[in-house]
Amino acid sequence: DIQMTQSPSSMSASLGDRVTITCQASQDIGNNLIWFQQKPGKSPRPMIYYATNLANGVPSRFSGSRSGSDYSLTISSLESEDMADYHCLQYKQYPDTFGAGTKLELK
Amino acid sequence: QIQLVQSGPELKKPGESVKISCKASGYTFTNYGMYWVKQAPGQGLQYMGWINTETGKPTYADDFKGRFVFFLETSASTAYLQINNLKNEDMATYFCARRSIPFDYWGQGVMVTVSS
Repeated sequence: DIQMTQSPSSMSASLGDRVTITCQASQDIGNNLIWFQQKPGKSPRPMIYYATNLANGVPSRFSGSRSGSDYSLTISSLESEDMADYHCLQYKQYPDTFGAGTKLELK
Repeated sequence: QIQLVQSGPELKKPGESVKISCKASGYTFTNYGMYWVKQAPGQGLQYMGWINTETGKPTYADDFKGRFVFFLETSASTAYLQINNLKNEDMATYFCARRSIPFDYWGQGVMVTVSS
């Protein structure tokens, strides 16, 4: 199975900060990666798909990038509504695998 | 509009079975597979597998082979997850999602509590 190593597991940041979350894939997944945001008691919401594409309705402060096997989600200027859990998902190879998640909190 | 509406919360005893539904509307049900995801309390998301809504063929991740069953009622545009012989570790929220990139349609989740 492909392992998705997500870091950090949690972080606290201030409003206006630039925040980056990373998933490292244990095997080649191409750009077959989605970033989800999940707020308490809610379903996951896709933020970035195909590693770098902004999903519908997602603010432009969110972006996705890839460097080799490392995939990053960046929030350029943190807003209060961005406090949530973030998960990456690879769907290149069966079985699909999620990262362990990142809890983003306000400092 | 496209919606996936899941059934309500469940309270079960160890050893019992539970059946969770996921009713789709707003699109042709058989055009997209249905994906199932488990989220244990305070934990991340775990891929369970998916069911081909055109053929009814389920695919299970290794951790979900045996006691977990995906099936369909196509005439009602509904997918089901049944968990047999419930164990404490099955206590979680279970989500269905339309299997289409970027996975932008999800059910609201069903919390299953397992307690004697």
